[in-house]
Amino acid sequence: GIQVEQSPPDLILQEGANSTLRCNFSDSVNNLQWFHQNPWGQLINLFYIPSGTKQNGRLSATTVATERYSLLYISSSQTTDSGVYFCAGRKGGNMLTFGGGTRLMVKP
Amino acid sequence: ETGVTQSPTHLIKTRGQQVTLRCSSQSGHNTVSWYQQALGQGPQFIFQYYREEENGRGNFPPRFSGLQFPNYSSELNVNALELDDSALYLCASSLKLGPKDTQYFGPGTRLTVL
Repeated sequence: GIQVEQSPPDLILQEGANSTLRCNFSDSVNNLQWFHQNPWGQLINLFYIPSGTKQNGRLSATTVATERYSLLYISSSQTTDSGVYFCAGRKGGNMLTFGGGTRLMVKP
Repeated sequence: ETGVTQSPTHLIKTRGQQVTLRCSSQSGHNTVSWYQQALGQGPQFIFQYYREEENGRGNFPPRFSGLQFPNYSSELNVNALELDDSALYLCASSLKLGPKDTQYFGPGTRLTVL
């Protein structure tokens, strides 16, 4: 199966700062999603983005499929952005493979 | 439109026991996937059910089994519980449309094995 690496593993920001989270895949994927896991464990869908760029409010994501990576941008971060961000991909089959996550803490 | 729900929210069992976790899929979805998330790690795929049949399985032993019902709800059963089975179990539902299906997750069941 594919391997998914996320960086950085941990990130501490001051409220209002911008950040970029990265996700690298060992192979091409035809399904790629970004999630935010809140402190209660709920995984919230952020983007379905196997290629291209999407934006949703202060969040945007870009996937360069030919180079097997995806980036998640968070602008003007807020304390409610804290939690763990996961990317996950799939190459055929039905198994969505997750990275190890980026743990983000936004301080007021 | 109701989201994905799971029950129970928390569960404590002892080693060797059996457990059943339940998931109700989002309305209109026909596929349910189960994941195990150990503390500090990303979720790991256990298996997927589509139209009441197992449709893919991750690297988990046979004591992890499941069911999907005609209303697309699902159960995860784990026999002969081990301490390492302590984890957050997540269920995700989707509408299978080839590779482009987006999975939506429930709140999870936190299982502790003593």
